[in-house]
Amino acid sequence: GQQLNQSPQSMFIQEGEDVSMNCTSSSIFNTWLWYKQDPGEGPVLLIALYKAGELTSNGRLTAQFGITRKDSFLNISASIPSDVGIYFCAGRDFGNEKLTFGTGTRLTIIP
Amino acid sequence: NAGVTQTPKFRVLKTGQSMTLLCAQDMNHEYMYWYRQDPGMGLRLIHYSVGEGTTAKGEVPDGYNVSRLKKQNFLLGLESAAPSQTSVYFCASSPYRLDNQPQHFGDGTRLSIL
Repeated sequence: GQQLNQSPQSMFIQEGEDVSMNCTSSSIFNTWLWYKQDPGEGPVLLIALYKAGELTSNGRLTAQFGITRKDSFLNISASIPSDVGIYFCAGRDFGNEKLTFGTGTRLTIIP
Repeated sequence: NAGVTQTPKFRVLKTGQSMTLLCAQDMNHEYMYWYRQDPGMGLRLIHYSVGEGTTAKGEVPDGYNVSRLKKQNFLLGLESAAPSQTSVYFCASSPYRLDNQPQHFGDGTRLSIL
């Protein structure tokens, strides 16, 4: 089946720093999604990408759909305490109702 | 504005017991999904439904059954609970196929099998 490698697995940063994380797939996707999960809650959609090369922003978050269709990137600028959580990428290939999720990047902000 | 509601939120079962998890959505969505989330493994699809009265297997369907008798409800059943089914279960829904229609998730059901 599909495999999504998400990296890094965890990040420890100071408030105000920028953050970068990425996902790579073993096959081509036509949709990339980025979710954030807070403790005790379900994932919440942050950004959706539908075209290769697409660059989309949502406030301090920016995500890109890689031109090879096999990767995606999420950047967070000027991190703040509420950015703490687990970030998941998810992808969908053509003709498939199902998403494949990455294993998550846990973001921790050091005081 | 409830969105996707899962019940119960927590449950402890003994091996061999059966139970049903309920997912309800008030957004008139066609598609509904059940996932399990285990440490270090992300979310894995158990079963899904593309409309009332239809169900399909996902990535890890063994040991689970589902039913979609009403459009707004998607039930996940554990026939004979096993410790390997200890997990956090998430339900999700989307209006239609995933094209331009991302999934909305519930807050999860934490299930422990002793």
